[in-house]
Amino acid sequence: EDKVVQSPLSLVVHEGDTVTLNCSYEVTNFRSLLWYKQEKKAPTFLFMLTSSGIEKKSGRLSSILDKKELFSILNITATQTGDSAVYLCAVGANSGNTPLVFGKGTRLSVIA
Amino acid sequence: DTGVSQNPRHKITKRGQNVTFRCDPISEHNRLYWYRQTLGQGPEFLTYFQNEAQLEKSRLLSDRFSAERPKGSFSTLEIQRTEQGDSAMYLCATPRPLSYNEQFFGPGTRLTVL
Repeated sequence: EDKVVQSPLSLVVHEGDTVTLNCSYEVTNFRSLLWYKQEKKAPTFLFMLTSSGIEKKSGRLSSILDKKELFSILNITATQTGDSAVYLCAVGANSGNTPLVFGKGTRLSVIA
Repeated sequence: DTGVSQNPRHKITKRGQNVTFRCDPISEHNRLYWYRQTLGQGPEFLTYFQNEAQLEKSRLLSDRFSAERPKGSFSTLEIQRTEQGDSAMYLCATPRPLSYNEQFFGPGTRLTVL
């Protein structure tokens, strides 16, 4: 059965800190790994990664995938209180028609 | 705003009642997914459609749940004889064209069963 495990489950940091969120997966016929940010509403898309070793970057957020070791990390530098959210990792398989399999998420709290 | 809309946004019902939710995806998307998210968990797949055809259903979808997508446009998810365990956020998602894994979510319907 496909599985996604995120760690830590929760994290509290001070503004300005850098954080690294982890996601490991086991999935048959891996196609892509996605990161979402969820505040008190539906998940919003951050990144989709399909190739190993290629960093994707958007402002203070960046992510990279390791398909050999089956994991991904999401980095957030110079954290701000607005980064407080649940960060979800999901994997997609096969041709892309299959549904995403999500981890439980990492709850990040950034305090001033 | 992903362009996916869901109604209602909140629903409170008593145990045993039937409820129906609606999802209006971005037009021209032939795939539509339903997920359920409970507190402290990531979204879990319920079912998905390609056009009007329901192609896959999760084992989470008991016989009290039914979903439709008439004419391949909007979709409805009905829960009959609701139970307290049905309390959750129900999310609808559609993929970006030509990038099927990149799914965009609607705002969700939060169901509370008393």
